[in-house]
Amino acid sequence: AQTVTQSQPEMSVQEAETVTLSCTYDTSESDYYLFWYKQPPSRQMILVIRQEAYKQQNATENRFSVNFQKAAKSFSLKISDSQLGDAAMYFCAYISNFGNEKLTFGTGTRLTIIP
Amino acid sequence: KAGVTQTPRYLIKTRGQQVTLSCSPISGHRSVSWYQQTPGQGLQFLFEYFSETQRNKGNFPGRFSGRQFSNSRSEMNVSTLELGDSALYLCASSSGPLAGELFFGEGSRLTVL
Repeated sequence: AQTVTQSQPEMSVQEAETVTLSCTYDTSESDYYLFWYKQPPSRQMILVIRQEAYKQQNATENRFSVNFQKAAKSFSLKISDSQLGDAAMYFCAYISNFGNEKLTFGTGTRLTIIP
Repeated sequence: KAGVTQTPRYLIKTRGQQVTLSCSPISGHRSVSWYQQTPGQGLQFLFEYFSETQRNKGNFPGRFSGRQFSNSRSEMNVSTLELGDSALYLCASSSGPLAGELFFGEGSRLTVL
């Protein structure tokens, strides 16, 4: 069974600084997707960034980028120039690329932005 | 394009009652999945439907059930409610297998007293 581990329950960062959230996963499959989802307080979960396992290039979306280390099964999220609106729970998630729409989530990291 | 819509947003039930939650996916999306979110257990997969067929089911008791209609709208039902069923129930839709992205609704927050 696949597992996703987020070892940082809480993180904080000064506004405009950079922060990295960690995620490791375990799977025996070779083809899969990894995601970072953001869940602001009392608001819906939205996709921040996704990575396809067969792509070696790290995904980037504006201020958000990932460091995908397939051999190490590591998938960290870097947020540059942190903004107050980045405050949220961040979930790392895994999905198999075999027609299975079941997401396996990590336990989440609560990110606080310090003004 | 409208997003994923879940109803009701909030509800309060008592132990032993049953509840039905509804999810309307994004237009054109045929896959709907359900997740339970609690502070203690985090986000856990309940089940997933595609074209009215349940394709995958999580490790939940038989009190949790669901279905999907021909228009892709989905409902989940919880019978004989227990206090531990209090949670945020999230619905997500995708365009189908290998889509690579799920879109979530705002959730239905269930409180069981």
